[in-house]
Amino acid sequence: QQQVKQSPQSLIVQKGGIPIINCAYENTAFDYFPWYQQFPGKGPALLIAIRPDVSEKKEGRFTISFNKSAKQFSLHIMDSQPGDSATYFCAASSGDYKLSFGAGTTVTVRA
Amino acid sequence: GAGVSQSPSNKVTEKGKDVELRCDPISGHTALYWYRQSLGQGLEFLIYFQGNSAPDKSGLPSDRFSAERTGGSVSTLTIQRTQQEDSAVYLCASSRQGAGYGYTFGSGTRLTVV
Repeated sequence: QQQVKQSPQSLIVQKGGIPIINCAYENTAFDYFPWYQQFPGKGPALLIAIRPDVSEKKEGRFTISFNKSAKQFSLHIMDSQPGDSATYFCAASSGDYKLSFGAGTTVTVRA
Repeated sequence: GAGVSQSPSNKVTEKGKDVELRCDPISGHTALYWYRQSLGQGLEFLIYFQGNSAPDKSGLPSDRFSAERTGGSVSTLTIQRTQQEDSAVYLCASSRQGAGYGYTFGSGTRLTVV
């Protein structure tokens, strides 16, 4: 079964809007939560990551919010641009073991 | 090398044939992973190599799939007697020590079984 549940499957926003992607997990041993960005024909690339000792992390226009008690985390893309149109994957791992990925969200930013 | 290199980038094969997919990880990365991505789907874990430890093969979908990693570097994923449902993009990733350091993915091999 999928260890990380991701929603929505796809979303469309206007340029400047804030797409929000949500992920939920059950395994309380997970302690590393990265997000990956994938463009067509390319492999996923690490975008930003968070550990459970912080509730929020920002890198440029990308923000992760983390709610340990609810076992949920989300990605916000501030001031979204057409170049942000891509598929985004959340993931989680326990220790240095393998990553379990969500099903992915296709984000389209319209100019 | 500068990144994870996978070859071939595209492979078309006839049903029933065997295929070999190659992954050249970043130099010095001890962890290597294979994932499969079907059209419009997420990433399905296949196998994980970490240093000299026995690989985690728990994600391999059938005994037609096997992988090896020689000298702690290059890895080869072999699919025997390919089936149409094996058509997918096969992604390789490497990591400095493990998942907690983030993966670097290659661009993948797109396998089409006709």
